[in-house]
Amino acid sequence: QKEVEQNSGPLSVPEGAIASLNCTYSDRVSQSFFWYRQYSGKSPELIMSIYSNGDKEDGRFTAQLNKASQYVSLLIRDSQPSDSATYLCAVTPTGGGNKLTFGTGTQLKVEL
Amino acid sequence: GAVVSQHPSWVICKSGTSVKIECRSLDFQATTMFWYRQFPKQSLMLMATSNEGSKATYEQGVEKDKFLINHASLTLSTLTVTSAHPEDSSFYICSARISGVSTGELFFGEGSRLTVL
Repeated sequence: QKEVEQNSGPLSVPEGAIASLNCTYSDRVSQSFFWYRQYSGKSPELIMSIYSNGDKEDGRFTAQLNKASQYVSLLIRDSQPSDSATYLCAVTPTGGGNKLTFGTGTQLKVEL
Repeated sequence: GAVVSQHPSWVICKSGTSVKIECRSLDFQATTMFWYRQFPKQSLMLMATSNEGSKATYEQGVEKDKFLINHASLTLSTLTVTSAHPEDSSFYICSARISGVSTGELFFGEGSRLTVL
């Protein structure tokens, strides 16, 4: 089992819709969770971080964490074509406070 | 936000030559920096953890003699790909965490695309 799993997509949503991106992780006691956005040919940029169960909202983005289910998600409301990118889920494993383990990413396409 | 600068952004070299990539934290000190490699349509793979003033810690399967890492100051880490070969062609990305901040958030450089002919 991979440490961090994501559906590679592509996930296609129409402009203005809600895009839902999902991630599961294997280390039950992971503490820190991150969503990064990566445009083609560019390096990742941080979108959201979440550390406790529940929802965290920042503008059009909402991160959801459920540690019991080892599941973290990212919702993008009012999706725009500029949101089209690959979204990487990253987890800090137990005892590896210095490291981030990345999923393979989900490609999101927002269509006009 | 914190800024990490990487140079060069792209480089083309002949097989057998060495290439140095620099990673600088511009507005913060970074005790630890990380070097990742990303092949097309794949995720980021951690190569090594660069620690200021000490030897880097390499991930399993990464040749430390081929990928030389130097972290001589709190704002600069370098990765040298020695005797590069075409299979080393990849996107190399550095990242850093603000010293003393344990949240785990990483700031990434712009990446360096290496093409070995």
